[in-house]
Amino acid sequence: ETGVTQTPRHLVMGMTNKKSLKCEQHLGHNAMYWYKQSAKKPLELMFVYSLEERVENNSVPSRFSPECPNSSHLFLHLHTLQPEDSALYLCASSPRQGRHTDTQYFGPGTRLTVL
Amino acid sequence: QKEVEQDPGPLSVPEGAIVSLNCTYSNSAFQYFMWYRQYSRKGPELLMYTYSSGNKEDGRFTAQVDKSSKYISLFIRDSQPSDSATYLCARIEGSNYQLIWGAGTKLIIKP
Repeated sequence: ETGVTQTPRHLVMGMTNKKSLKCEQHLGHNAMYWYKQSAKKPLELMFVYSLEERVENNSVPSRFSPECPNSSHLFLHLHTLQPEDSALYLCASSPRQGRHTDTQYFGPGTRLTVL
Repeated sequence: QKEVEQDPGPLSVPEGAIVSLNCTYSNSAFQYFMWYRQYSRKGPELLMYTYSSGNKEDGRFTAQVDKSSKYISLFIRDSQPSDSATYLCARIEGSNYQLIWGAGTKLIIKP
């Protein structure tokens, strides 16, 4: 595997379910990101991790809970979601956090549908 | 105000045409802008970045920044069906260099 991978690619869940999204980067990067992408809206940065430490949390509801056990893996735990949370969830990584010259590399995303 | 504005499209042009994609921004302390391309069912990938005003060329792609009018443009020459994608512009914001994104313009190149 190369680059940034995300599983599952598609997820349908009810509002009372608990599920997790997984992201893995094979690039040796130190920073990882979760974004939400809704149709015809800009990407919304949700969380940023640098060397497994959360450095950014952009007013995301507590029903989204990130976890970064090491610099290669990032999880997004989901519980009691709302239909408006349906979106494409993108994971990205970059060599370092907070350097404008460091490109972010994105995974293919998880398409989440909340019923 | 942090927004980056893009026309969502879709923009449909015939193969071989010159394509012009545009973004406007309100204010930016950092004159550093990026264009990402996102194919269907894929994540965005960096296409080009530019710093300050002027043009930057890479093959068939030219990125242009006009600071006076706060306008960012991406030109695609000799467009191909494989250029069909959504194009996202972004700029840097804040001391932590967070990216501020446009909503993207969907481009369709008709064979």
